[in-house]
Amino acid sequence: GDSVTQMEGPVTLSEEAFLTINCTYTATGYPSLFWYVQYPGEGLQLLLKATKADDKGSNKGFEATYRKETTSFHLEKGSVQVSDSAVYFCALSEDQGAQKLVFGQGTRLTINP
Amino acid sequence: DAGVIQSPRHEVTEMGQEVTLRCKPISGHNSLFWYRQTMMRGLELLIYFNNNVPIDDSGMPEDRFSAKMPNASFSTLKIQPSEPRDSAVYFCASSLGVGTRVDEQYFGPGTRLTVT
Repeated sequence: GDSVTQMEGPVTLSEEAFLTINCTYTATGYPSLFWYVQYPGEGLQLLLKATKADDKGSNKGFEATYRKETTSFHLEKGSVQVSDSAVYFCALSEDQGAQKLVFGQGTRLTINP
Repeated sequence: DAGVIQSPRHEVTEMGQEVTLRCKPISGHNSLFWYRQTMMRGLELLIYFNNNVPIDDSGMPEDRFSAKMPNASFSTLKIQPSEPRDSAVYFCASSLGVGTRVDEQYFGPGTRLTVT
């Protein structure tokens, strides 16, 4: 079945450092790909998405490019802030109209001032 | 908008006891989802409802788990009897319904369940 694999955490960086969180997927079709973020004490929120190969999703300085050839959707940010400390989840859905999301295990990110 | 509301936020119970988790979706949303998050298995979809009807319960782990949605504004996830391996964070999410984009799910803050 479909699956998502994320780099294991926790990840700890200093403020203004460059961030990469790796995500790879396995799917039978052509999924849509997502990054969700969970801030402390809150539910998951959609951060960005890409629906087809070579699409780049971006939001709040974060970016991720849908790479079909490497089945990857790595999350990047050029300069992280303390407020970016959260848990990040990579996810896929086989069909834009479908209701199922398949999530990775999440990566906890801590940014130190 | 109050968002998706879950209660309790934390639950500690002894093995063998019945546990009931509650969820109030966003008003006007027609689909509701229950997820479970564990270190071993990550975030898994347990069941989802559309218009109060269960559509897919293939993720429900076993008969000890049951979910109901008696009306559009309330759902429960019940575990009876509970076991230590049920310890996890349980999330509820809601969306406008079938036909909407899958990313338009709004998550509650979760219930952290500990079974001793």
